Amino acid sequence: QITLKESGPTLVKPTQTLTLTCTFSGFSLSTSGVGVGWIRQPPGKALEWLALIYWDDDKRYSPSLKSRLTITKDTSKNQVVLTMTNMDPVDTATYYCAHSLSGVMNDYWGQGTLVTVSS
Amino acid sequence: DIQMTQSPSSLSASVGDRVTITCQASQDISNYLNWYQQKPGKAPKLLIYDASNLETGVPSRFSGSGSGTDFTFTISSLQPEDIATYYCQQYDNLPTFGGGTKVEIK
Repeated sequence: QITLKESGPTLVKPTQTLTLTCTFSGFSLSTSGVGVGWIRQPPGKALEWLALIYWDDDKRYSPSLKSRLTITKDTSKNQVVLTMTNMDPVDTATYYCAHSLSGVMNDYWGQGTLVTVSS
Repeated sequence: DIQMTQSPSSLSASVGDRVTITCQASQDISNYLNWYQQKPGKAPKLLIYDASNLETGVPSRFSGSGSGTDFTFTISSLQPEDIATYYCQQYDNLPTFGGGTKVEIK
C-alpha cells in the first residue's frame, strides 16, 4: 500500500526559507521509473505543479519558481525534501507530495499540509 | 509553459445528467493528460490517465477522450457523490494544471 505524508512548519515569516518533507512508504525511490513530486494549492484556488524528482535523481522544476526551489531525495529514509526560498504571503497554500510511476503521474497523493506565510 | 484552458469553470446539473468538461492545451500534448477529482478539504484523486484510461477502482460512469490539444471529460450519469472540483493536467512537458471545474447539483 502506497502512502505519502507531508510535514513541515505551518507558519513561516516573509523572506524565510520553507523546508517540507515528504515521507512515503509502499515503494522505493530507487526503483526505475518512480518519481515524487510537489504540488501546491492556495486557499480557494487551482492546483499548481512545483517540482519532481525521479529515481535516477533527474529533477524538474516549475519555470516560474525554479530559482527558489530545490528538491532532493533520501532513498534510505524514504523521504523527499522541498525547499523554497524567500517566502511571501502569496505562497500561502496547501502543499502536497505525490507519487508517479513512468506513464502515470500523481496516482497517489499525501493529505497535504497548509503553510501560512505571515509576519 | 504549456497552458491548459479548462471550461466551464463551474456547472450545475441534476442527478442523472450527463456532464462534460473540456480542456484545451496551448500545444500538442499527444495523450499526456490526467483528470483529477478533488472534494473539499481533500487531496486530488486521479480518475483518468493518458487521456482515456480509467484508474483502477474508478466508476465506469467517468470517461475521458481526446488527443493533441482538445480533451473531454465526461460523467455519464451524475451522482450526488460526484460533487467536487475536477482538474485536467498535462504531462507532455513540465506538468501544468487547468483552472478547475466546480460541479454542483441543481
